[in-house]
Amino acid sequence: SQELEQSPQSLIVQEGKNLTINCTSSKTLYGLYWYKQKYGEGLIFLMMLQKGGEEKSHEKITAKLDEKKQQSSLHITASQPSHAGIYLCGAADNYGQNFVFGPGTRLSVLP
Amino acid sequence: KAGVTQTPRYLIKTRGQQVTLSCSPISGHRSVSWYQQTPGQGLQFLFEYFSETQRNKGNFPGRFSGRQFSNSRSEMNVSTLELGDSALYLCASSLDHRRLGNTIYFGEGSWLTVV
Repeated sequence: SQELEQSPQSLIVQEGKNLTINCTSSKTLYGLYWYKQKYGEGLIFLMMLQKGGEEKSHEKITAKLDEKKQQSSLHITASQPSHAGIYLCGAADNYGQNFVFGPGTRLSVLP
Repeated sequence: KAGVTQTPRYLIKTRGQQVTLSCSPISGHRSVSWYQQTPGQGLQFLFEYFSETQRNKGNFPGRFSGRQFSNSRSEMNVSTLELGDSALYLCASSLDHRRLGNTIYFGEGSWLTVV
């Protein structure tokens, strides 16, 4: 079965700093999703990547899927306290059936 | 348009009781999935329904069940509650059952505490 690992587990940065979160798969990724979650709340969809080498941006967040489609990164530029939360990557297997999530990366942004 | 709506948001139950959680997907979405989130296990897939049929099931005991109605609304039921069932239960909806290319939207979740 597909497993996703995320690094780092947690991250504390000063407001204004850039940061990167990584998501690595044990198998080829056929659809990689990034979500943000505030503690105890639902998941907010950020971006979906499908093609090798694909890169998408929304406001100050950029996500990339590597050419081999086994690793994705989420980069936040000039972080703000509003970026704080848990970032989760999720992926579908190659049959498009099962959907698994990584363990999450907890981000704290200090003002 | 309205997002994924889950009810109730919070509930407390006693061991041995049963609970039913409800999820209304985004209008037009026909696939509903359920997930359990705990600090120790993270997000785990429970099951998925599409057109009133269970298409996929995670590795959970038979005490966990669900169904989907003709209007795509879904319910999940947990019988004979155990302390370990305390978790945030999340519902997600998407246009159809295909995971490739379809954005999956989540509700706010239902917090279940078993005492």
